[in-house]
Amino acid sequence: GAVVSQHPSRVICKSGTSVKIECRSLDFQATTMFWYRQFPKQSLMLMATSNEGSKATYEQGVEKDKFLINHASLTLSTLTVTSAHPEDSSFYICSARRAGTRHFDEQFFGPGTRLTVL
Amino acid sequence: TQLLEQSPQFLSIQEGENLTVYCNSSSVFSSLQWYRQEPGEGPVLLVTVVTGGEVKKLKRLTFQFGDARKDSSLHITAAQPGDTGLYLCAGRPNAGGTSYGKLTFGQGTILTVHP
Repeated sequence: GAVVSQHPSRVICKSGTSVKIECRSLDFQATTMFWYRQFPKQSLMLMATSNEGSKATYEQGVEKDKFLINHASLTLSTLTVTSAHPEDSSFYICSARRAGTRHFDEQFFGPGTRLTVL
Repeated sequence: TQLLEQSPQFLSIQEGENLTVYCNSSSVFSSLQWYRQEPGEGPVLLVTVVTGGEVKKLKRLTFQFGDARKDSSLHITAAQPGDTGLYLCAGRPNAGGTSYGKLTFGQGTILTVHP
């Protein structure tokens, strides 16, 4: 159990276009999902917290109009990178929080999406 | 902001050697998780420790949570090339406040085990 999927796994786009990344919890409901960005050989940087049915909470320095997050259901959150630029190229990872006392609010991560903006 | 200092940042060893990775903080965490990540993939949860002083074993990996729940260690015995990867510790702050539910990540340890 506790499987999280991401789609697409890789995407290459032209500068100025928008890209949507999906994050799904496959076998559990996730009221909260998180979106991270990771640079090569570095740790994860939290971008935003996505709560089902409400607006996402963005970390300081993350542009909410550029990184649009929608958490439409208990199993799906999407991240849209709008008007992408080469500096947005990165590895984007989502995680889903499995709540409940027994699970100690563990987070399970998706396989990541490699975004390359030309 | 609760910070986790993870060390060492890089570790290159020969197959069969033992190693320990440390995560330290001045703050108390409700729980602490260890992840392993391979290039191009997402982190995979190895273990969650919750109780101060707790020790968990996963085959050749031993995880310990400090008595005060401010630090943790990962010890690998007889490392193998398959252990190569990025190891991340992540702590969950105490309940309440704006950071509830979020994980605070250490900087990561890149482990390379040579055959």
